[in-house]
Amino acid sequence: GAVVSQHPSWVICKSGTSVKIECRSLDFQATTMFWYRQFPKQSLMLMATSNEGSKATYEQGVEKDKFLINHASLTLSTLTVTSAHPEDSSFYICSARGGTSAEQYFGPGTRLTVT
Amino acid sequence: LAKTTQPISMDSYEGQEVNITCSHNNIATNDYITWYQQFPSQGPRFIIQGYKTKVTNEVASLFIPADRKSSTLSLPRVSLSDTAVYYCLVDYNTNAGKSTFGDGTTLTVKP
Repeated sequence: GAVVSQHPSWVICKSGTSVKIECRSLDFQATTMFWYRQFPKQSLMLMATSNEGSKATYEQGVEKDKFLINHASLTLSTLTVTSAHPEDSSFYICSARGGTSAEQYFGPGTRLTVT
Repeated sequence: LAKTTQPISMDSYEGQEVNITCSHNNIATNDYITWYQQFPSQGPRFIIQGYKTKVTNEVASLFIPADRKSSTLSLPRVSLSDTAVYYCLVDYNTNAGKSTFGDGTTLTVKP
């Protein structure tokens, strides 16, 4: 099956710094990538949808200037958490969809801890 | 976006068959139904996908009635390793292909 990777798998940063998370589709071209955030014992919350070569579409309540998303190629999307604060600590998960497939392929997630 | 509704939790014992039902009353004509499994601190893992009637693969079956307003994931002979959260998703093509996760069902398999 299709594989999606994320890097790093976990990261600890200091409050006020920025962190970049990469999401890659390893064996298929992802026309659309999604970024989710998941807090402990809660469901996944969609943050934004990104299509290759265009600006991301953010869900209501998600600050686009704080969570910068770049989908520069058909195999790579990045999420940058700018000026991170402890409340941004969460599990960030990306998923990718290729072509006309209705299936999303999920990455393994990135655990962000802001101290 | 219309939400999916699932039971919050279910308990089972090893070797039993588990059926988890999901309601999706506002499903659109072109939408598919997909089920995912998630373990703690991991991304969701695809289990099965269907459009109508019955779909079966090596790990599960998916039953979808004619009106498609619900679906049932069937896990045969569960084991302790099937303890996880199970999510049903309806891919709403009318919303640019994005999906909204419901609360999921936490399945606990006991020995």
